[in-house]
Order: sequence, then structure tokens, then C-alpha cells
Amino acid sequence: NAGVTQTPKFRVLKTGQSMTLLCAQDMNHEYMYWYRQDPGMGLRLIHYSVGEGTTAKGEVPDGYNVSRLKKQNFLLGLESAAPSQTSVYFCASSYSTSGIHSNEQFFGPGTRLTVL
Amino acid sequence: QQQVKQSPQSLIVQKGGIPIINCAYENTAFDYFPWYQQFPGKGPALLIAIRPDVSEKKEGRFTISFNKSAKQFSLHIMDSQPGDSATYFCAASADQGGKLIFGQGTELSVKP
Repeated sequence: NAGVTQTPKFRVLKTGQSMTLLCAQDMNHEYMYWYRQDPGMGLRLIHYSVGEGTTAKGEVPDGYNVSRLKKQNFLLGLESAAPSQTSVYFCASSYSTSGIHSNEQFFGPGTRLTVL
Repeated sequence: QQQVKQSPQSLIVQKGGIPIINCAYENTAFDYFPWYQQFPGKGPALLIAIRPDVSEKKEGRFTISFNKSAKQFSLHIMDSQPGDSATYFCAASADQGGKLIFGQGTELSVKP
């Protein structure tokens, strides 16, 4: 099992450019999440999905879009990148919300994005 | 609005010491409180978690203490080792889509 994988690992964009970050999981998890991590801010939820074909907004959704066309993949898009979107982006997945560790989220290795 | 507040921001202890990291929450609907550990260049990984029906949970050298009335919980690391040096995040969830609200993180350094 590869777990949760993210591509690319690093990316540098110019202001106004667009890009898509890909997250893939091979654990047959229902739930998937996108977070951004900034110094002193912890991890903040951008968007999430509770199943194939569904998406919902998290805490900081502005400037991002997502799609979950296949259960194993969750894509995060930046249509017009801004310097404020410079961050480390983490994808995570989880199975369900019942049981003590059902909320356990498994994280990918992250994508470091710089917007100039 | 930060619903989970974590302190301290950074912590330095000697090997064998007992670092304590504290978190406070506001939303009384939260019913799942995990701690995640993150090493540099890696994603966070679940360390230990607790539900509010117990006041303490221990797994190896890691213990969560939970005070429901004060809306606070803390992580204690017994006999800390240099390999425990990492960033620790507390989090909370109200089981709505499994969403986690994270604290700001604590960078722990354990000196040899």
C-alpha cells in the first residue's frame, strides 16, 4: 500500500498562473481532505469530500476548487494563483466517522507551493 | 476564528524530561480529540486520541489528559527522547464529515 500520495512535491508559480494538485489514496477511504499549513497557523481545511462525486467547503475555501470524480482521487485547483497561496498543501483521507479511530486521517507527504 | 488554541508554540526539554502541551477548545459539540505528530518534510501522523467519556488515555510514553468541564486537554510525553523532537498538533472534531479543527502546533525539541 502506498497510502496517500501527492503530486507534485514542489512547484513554483507566477501570480495569475493556474495549477492542479493531485491526491491519490489506495486505502478505499470514503473521506478525503485538502489542508494548507502555514507557520503558526496549524493546518486549515480548504475543501473536503465525503464520497465520490461530492465536495464541500472547509475553513479557507476561497481561491481554490476541488473535484472528486473517482473515489481514490481528490484534485485541488488554483485558477489564478496569488502570493497569499504560498503554503504547504496536505491531502488526507479517512474511512468513516464511527469508532474511536474512525476519524483517523492519513496524510500525504505534502506539496510545497511558492507563488511569486 | 480559532476554535482550538494550543500552547506553547515551542518547547525545549532535556532528554528524560516530561514535556506538556496544552489545548483548549470552545465548541462543546466536539467529541473526538486526537494528537498528531509531524516530522520535518513529512505529513502529520496520528499519535493518540481520546473521546470525552474518559479523563485520561495512555499509549506507551504518551498520555492525554482530558478535562471536559474546563474544555481543555493536554499531551504528556514521559521519558522524552531526542527522537520525539517534532511538531505536535492537537485537534478536535464534532463528527460532521470527520472534519478536524487543528491547533496552531507546538515545535518540541528534546536535547540529548
